[in-house]
Amino acid sequence: DVVMTQSPLSLPVTLGQPASISCRSSQSLVYSDGNTYLNWFQQRPGQSPRRLIYKVSNRDSGVPDRFSGSGSGTDFTLKISRVEAEDVGVYYCMQATRWPPYTFGQGTKLEIK
Amino acid sequence: EVQLVESGGGLVQPGGSLRLSCAASGFTFTTYRMSWVRQAPGKGLEWVANINEDGSEKYYVDSVKGRFTISRDNAKNSLYLQMNSLRAEDTAVYYCSKGGWLDHWGQGTLVTVSS
Repeated sequence: DVVMTQSPLSLPVTLGQPASISCRSSQSLVYSDGNTYLNWFQQRPGQSPRRLIYKVSNRDSGVPDRFSGSGSGTDFTLKISRVEAEDVGVYYCMQATRWPPYTFGQGTKLEIK
Repeated sequence: EVQLVESGGGLVQPGGSLRLSCAASGFTFTTYRMSWVRQAPGKGLEWVANINEDGSEKYYVDSVKGRFTISRDNAKNSLYLQMNSLRAEDTAVYYCSKGGWLDHWGQGTLVTVSS
């Protein structure tokens, strides 16, 4: 199975400051069709997960443009340009290239300093 | 608007069975793969199973193979998860999710396996 490793696991951030979460996979996530099926999800406290980013860098509808995804191969990053209070929660990366199973990272808990 | 509404969770004894349901609306159900994902209390997300559009292909995480069965009824726009031989470690909130890339999620249903 592909192991997804996120860092940091805890991320205290000052309002208005940038934040960055790293996600590394144990194998390349480039599929035979040339796409890379790496997604990012946000889970706010007490809520269901919500997809933010698909295929590395594509923002879902309604996701603010302060969120961006980048990376390739085995190394990926989610960036928030200016953290707002509503961004508090846990962020997960997930690979859907080499499945089954789909695998998630451990989660990164973002909190406001 | 896409809506996914799970039901069927509850308290069950170890070794028991439970059937979860997910009612889908707001999209053409028959054209999407569907998944179940679970989250143990205070833990991260774990993909459990998915099923293709016509129900002919089913995939499972190793820990549930032989115990859980995913199915769908396209006439009823519904997804199911039959869970047998339940263990304490199956205790979790179970989410239904749309598509191969999990683009929408339901609110979840809690399954507690305990004596």
